[in-house]
Amino acid sequence: GAVVSQHPSRVICKSGTSVKIECRSLDFQATTMFWYRQFPKQSLMLMATSNEGSKATYEQGVEKDKFLINHASLTLSTLTVTSAHPEDSSFYICSATSGFSEAFFGQGTRLTVV
Amino acid sequence: GDSVTQMEGPVTLSEEAFLTINCTYTATGYPSLFWYVQYPGEGLQLLLKATKADDKGSNKGFEATYRKETTSFHLEKGSVQVSDSAVYFCALNSGGYQKVTFGTGTKLQVIP
Repeated sequence: GAVVSQHPSRVICKSGTSVKIECRSLDFQATTMFWYRQFPKQSLMLMATSNEGSKATYEQGVEKDKFLINHASLTLSTLTVTSAHPEDSSFYICSATSGFSEAFFGQGTRLTVV
Repeated sequence: GDSVTQMEGPVTLSEEAFLTINCTYTATGYPSLFWYVQYPGEGLQLLLKATKADDKGSNKGFEATYRKETTSFHLEKGSVQVSDSAVYFCALNSGGYQKVTFGTGTKLQVIP
């Protein structure tokens, strides 16, 4: 299957700082990327959908000014958690699709805000 | 809207036991159905999938059959191993952009 690389796999940041997570499709052009958040012992909740060159579409309840998503190219989407707080600590995972196949998932990023 | 309901865990089994994890869904149209697995500390991996009614997905000894009449996609394995210990997510996609809706996940623990 296709490869989606997510970086970093783990990050610890101080409260009030911002952190950027990258999601790359390594061997296909991802017209659409999805960002999910997984709370402890819960399922994955879709945060937003991003199409290359367009503004991301956020799910209800997700603060778009806090979770900035950029999908500037067909192989890269970034999620920036701005002014992070401890309650933002979570597992974030992206998926990517060319639109003609299933979505492929990255390895996920464990964010800890201290 | 779309939704996936799967049995709550954790499920604890002895090695070589038979596994069933139930999954039912609600969706418009004709969704594709998936089982994903998440090993401790790792991301999601697609375990198997089925794209139309009566299809059977299989991989690594796991199987699931797309049952449209009962809107179900139960995961089964005849003989589990300790290495199968993980969280299993049932999921579906019914949209053109491959947006995936997940169940809550079922943690499986296999003991020797």
